[in-house]
Amino acid sequence: AQTVTQSQPEMSVQEAETVTLSCTYDTSESDYYLFWYKQPPSRQMILVIRQEAYKQQNATENRFSVNFQKAAKSFSLKISDSQLGDAAMYFCAQSPRATQGGSEKLVFGKGTKLTVNP
Amino acid sequence: DGGITQSPKYLFRKEGQNVTLSCEQNLNHDAMYWYRQDPGQGLRLIYYSQIVNDFQKGDIAEGYSVSREKKESFPLTVTSAQKNPTAFYLCASSIRFNRGEKLFFGSGTQLSVL
Repeated sequence: AQTVTQSQPEMSVQEAETVTLSCTYDTSESDYYLFWYKQPPSRQMILVIRQEAYKQQNATENRFSVNFQKAAKSFSLKISDSQLGDAAMYFCAQSPRATQGGSEKLVFGKGTKLTVNP
Repeated sequence: DGGITQSPKYLFRKEGQNVTLSCEQNLNHDAMYWYRQDPGQGLRLIYYSQIVNDFQKGDIAEGYSVSREKKESFPLTVTSAQKNPTAFYLCASSIRFNRGEKLFFGSGTQLSVL
């Protein structure tokens, strides 16, 4: 069964500093996708970054980057130069890669609430 | 602007009442989804639709129903059989029905029981 675990219910960071959010997962699939979604106070979910498990290179999107450790089944999100607008709930998610079917097996973690202090 | 519109933002249900949550998208996406979010929890899939006139149950479909008569619209009905309907409901879409696709989300509907 697929599981996604975010062990940090809450994190805080000072503005302009760097913070890392942790995520571990378990899956029996040999290939899969990993995601980080952000949910700001408006509650609308926004994709932050996406990683294809068969790619060894870590994904980056501007100030956001991941540390993907496939053997350890770890997928942490690093936010550099934190800004006040980064304050949100962050959800890690995982779905298998398949030749058919769809996002019905996109499994979310319980989230980490990030506070950014001025 | 292209996007997903959910309405209403807040909805109240009386005992024994069915209520319908609206979800409309103008992104020309084939696939649409309904998720439920409870406090301190991640999102759980209720129903999804790969294409018009087709839909499948997700992980927690009991007490819910959907229709997909138009590509743009995927309404969710919370029936009286759903005994614990209080939650935040999110509608999403993706270009096609593929597990690696990015999901685009609406702004959600908060449903509460009177």
